[in-house]
Amino acid sequence: RKEVEQDPGPFNVPEGATVAFNCTYSNSASQSFFWYRQDCRKEPKLLMSVYSSGNEDGRFTAQLNRASQYISLLIRDSKLSDSATYLCAVNMYSSASKIIFGSGTRLSIRP
Amino acid sequence: DAGITQSPRHKVTETGTPVTLRCHQTENHRYMYWYRQDPGHGLRLIHYSYGVKDTDKGEVSDGYSVSRSKTEDFLLTLESATSSQTSVYFCAISDPGHLRETQYFGPGTRLLVL
Repeated sequence: RKEVEQDPGPFNVPEGATVAFNCTYSNSASQSFFWYRQDCRKEPKLLMSVYSSGNEDGRFTAQLNRASQYISLLIRDSKLSDSATYLCAVNMYSSASKIIFGSGTRLSIRP
Repeated sequence: DAGITQSPRHKVTETGTPVTLRCHQTENHRYMYWYRQDPGHGLRLIHYSYGVKDTDKGEVSDGYSVSRSKTEDFLLTLESATSSQTSVYFCAISDPGHLRETQYFGPGTRLLVL
């Protein structure tokens, strides 16, 4: 079993839709969690951290479910510009050198 | 954006030749990393450094070596390039003074080994 798993997609949704991705992790002692966005042929860029109480940044909401060991990313009112691959990242051992990345979920927003 | 540059940005080389990729940061972050990204595999850690002259292996270190003689520079060397090392290589930095500190990536180097 991979330490961090994501549905690779692709998710193909119409503009304005709400879409959600999950990411599961294997180590229950994992300390911190992140979502990255990666555009085609570009580097991953930090989208948001995921806090225990859940957090929101505009149209984006991140949630953590420790009991079931997954994090989620919700995108509301999706825009064409949201088309990208979304990577989750889990800091498993309280060390920034031990961040494990998921393989990414590809999202395509259609007009 | 974090001040991270990579050079070269693109390289084509032949099997058996040595290749060195450079990562340069202006953030004075202590940790630096080299990843490769391939379809179906995501980001895989090759080597990382936790300080000048302090390095450690990652998940896929065979065939690669690294050096860090200055805080700002982290070099990745393919001793004798093989076609299986064709990939996109990303450098990343972090400064783990905070539990939530995460990694920030450079723009990547596309390497093609013929």
